[in-house]
Amino acid sequence: DTGVSQNPRHKITKRGQNVTFRCDPISEHNRLYWYRQTLGQGPEFLTYFQNEAQLEKSRLLSDRFSAERPKGSFSTLEIQRTEQGDSAMYLCASSPIAQGRAKNIQYFGAGTRLSVL
Amino acid sequence: SQQGEEDPQALSIQEGENATMNCSYKTSINNLQWYRQNSGRGLVHLILIRSNEREKHSGRLRVTLDTSKKSSSLLITASRAADTASYFCATDHPTGANNLFFGTGTRLTVIP
Repeated sequence: DTGVSQNPRHKITKRGQNVTFRCDPISEHNRLYWYRQTLGQGPEFLTYFQNEAQLEKSRLLSDRFSAERPKGSFSTLEIQRTEQGDSAMYLCASSPIAQGRAKNIQYFGAGTRLSVL
Repeated sequence: SQQGEEDPQALSIQEGENATMNCSYKTSINNLQWYRQNSGRGLVHLILIRSNEREKHSGRLRVTLDTSKKSSSLLITASRAADTASYFCATDHPTGANNLFFGTGTRLTVIP
């Protein structure tokens, strides 16, 4: 499978626990994005990496959220001290840098659904 | 927020009919994309239209863009049951920021 892979697919946790999600982008893609999607809404941008550098962060990304892409390949998104409001689908996407400035077609993984009890 | 809105929120049609979804957005853009999402899955890119284009076709899909009204429409012709999904428009930011701004989506149900 050469698409974007996310693990786990589902995560159930108790409020206050820490959780970590992993994203493996398409291998030749330099750009990696994290989005959050709540029920009935479109995805909302969280953060963006170009190779290993985290270049953009949304105001949605509170201090409890941290993302890394240490070797410019896979990425992890950690949520510390989870709250019930963190329950959502967390989507990862990747894109190649060679599309040029005028295009930004992104390729999405199936997502990790987080439920905070 | 730059997030757009789709209209209608939900649409139910018979197989073989055409489905039209509309999207409005708030700021100037470089391009606009449409994505499809099956229930519980990730999004799949369908089509991209540049800000200097007015209409684009891809198979059974037809997209229009009116930058003066900050709106776009997606037409799916001869719909099939397999077209049942949520459809989202997504815009970029004219400064070149790399994230996409998604609309609220239209939930399309095609009845066999």
